[in-house]
Amino acid sequence: EPEVTQTPSHQVTQMGQEVILRCVPISNHLYFYWYRQILGQKVEFLVSFYNNEISEKSEIFDDQFSVERPDGSNFTLKIRSTKLEDSAMYFCARSNQGYGYTFGSGTRLTVV
Amino acid sequence: EDKVVQSPLSLVVHEGDTVTLNCSYEVTNFRSLLWYKQEKKAPTFLFMLTSSGIEKKSGRLSSILDKKELFSILNITATQTGDSAIYLCAPIYGNKLVFGAGTILRVKS
Repeated sequence: EPEVTQTPSHQVTQMGQEVILRCVPISNHLYFYWYRQILGQKVEFLVSFYNNEISEKSEIFDDQFSVERPDGSNFTLKIRSTKLEDSAMYFCARSNQGYGYTFGSGTRLTVV
Repeated sequence: EDKVVQSPLSLVVHEGDTVTLNCSYEVTNFRSLLWYKQEKKAPTFLFMLTSSGIEKKSGRLSSILDKKELFSILNITATQTGDSAIYLCAPIYGNKLVFGAGTILRVKS
């Protein structure tokens, strides 16, 4: 059973719409991450989240993105006003103090 | 800028062959390097390497890190069709992983 569960597994949305991708890490690890992988390209870092705050973000993570952990368990990535180029696999990951990264099963986002 | 280069980009072998996958990196504040196998969706963890020269082994897979020369290799012996996947190398920079483009391995029966 995966230690990190992501929902939905696939989401299709219209350009300009907002989407929320969810991640439920089962353990009590403090470090969480979002990565994305555009089809045929590298896995890219988006943002890291430590102790309920953003600790680092990449250039990709602009104002259209936000993360939060609203209820202490779910970890969400919100994309406001989606663009075609946001179509990708989005992976949530957790680590134990920066070691031992485990990835979730991913959400395939398709923007049409 | 952090750089991770994996070679070869792709490889086709026959079952039973041995393969060596390479990863070179230029990453500041290097801590460790991870190897992942990616089949259909999420990367699955293979190895974490922190110390130079110490081989990590898991079944037919093994890996070693050279921190002086800034590279790592992943060996797979007696390959099977189930080894067909993309193999990703990812040094840890700070608290994040910096991924290479991967090596696509196809094992033919």
